[in-house]
Amino acid sequence: SSELTQDPAVSVALGQTVRITCQGDSLRSYYASWYQQKPGQAPVLVIYGKNNRPSGIPDRFSGSSSGNTASLTITGAQAEDEADYYCNSRDSSGNHGVFGTGTKVTVL
Amino acid sequence: QVQLQESGPGLVKPSQTLSLTCTVSGGSISSGSYYWSWIRQPAGKGLEWIGRIYTSGSTNYNPSLKSRVTISVDTSKNQFSLKLSSVTAADTAVYYCARDAVTRRENWFDPWGQGTLVTVSS
Repeated sequence: SSELTQDPAVSVALGQTVRITCQGDSLRSYYASWYQQKPGQAPVLVIYGKNNRPSGIPDRFSGSSSGNTASLTITGAQAEDEADYYCNSRDSSGNHGVFGTGTKVTVL
Repeated sequence: QVQLQESGPGLVKPSQTLSLTCTVSGGSISSGSYYWSWIRQPAGKGLEWIGRIYTSGSTNYNPSLKSRVTISVDTSKNQFSLKLSSVTAADTAVYYCARDAVTRRENWFDPWGQGTLVTVSS
């Protein structure tokens, strides 16, 4: 399967922890990368590979993977973390990119 | 630091060909082992990977778009381009270009261009 499935929406209280999941068969072979997108803006890379953060991304963002599921965890969510989050990986052939369906994170 | 900027017509008629260019600044498009990708997003919807090109000219395309997509690179101009033929209203979207880092088990897009809205309408 070339699909990556995410929960449509999650909410988290300010300062609490939220985990966003991404499921797909190809994740057994390939790592996911994660992108934050705020309204009207281009996506921004927040996590890639096993658990790597680009420069400038706060350390409250972390990634993990187990079996066919990749996860993005925000520990101590801030108001500015409210956004859409997308996972990305490859399809089972390894030759094509595929994005997850996206998760809207609301910080209460 | 590397920056990307999309350019091209914002309005394309149905059945015609959409053409966009991504200009890379702050570094050579040929440096490092990077691919260069196009990604699109219809209004209110998710991201869709369109395809990628390596500076050697090697390409990979989304199977659902493969029959209509051509991605090319001009290293002398530090640009890569997208052509999407036989467009319909369903191709209306914000189109992004991005640098695509690819390893054996990983790939990630960083940085991204700001995106350009292309509307398909007569």
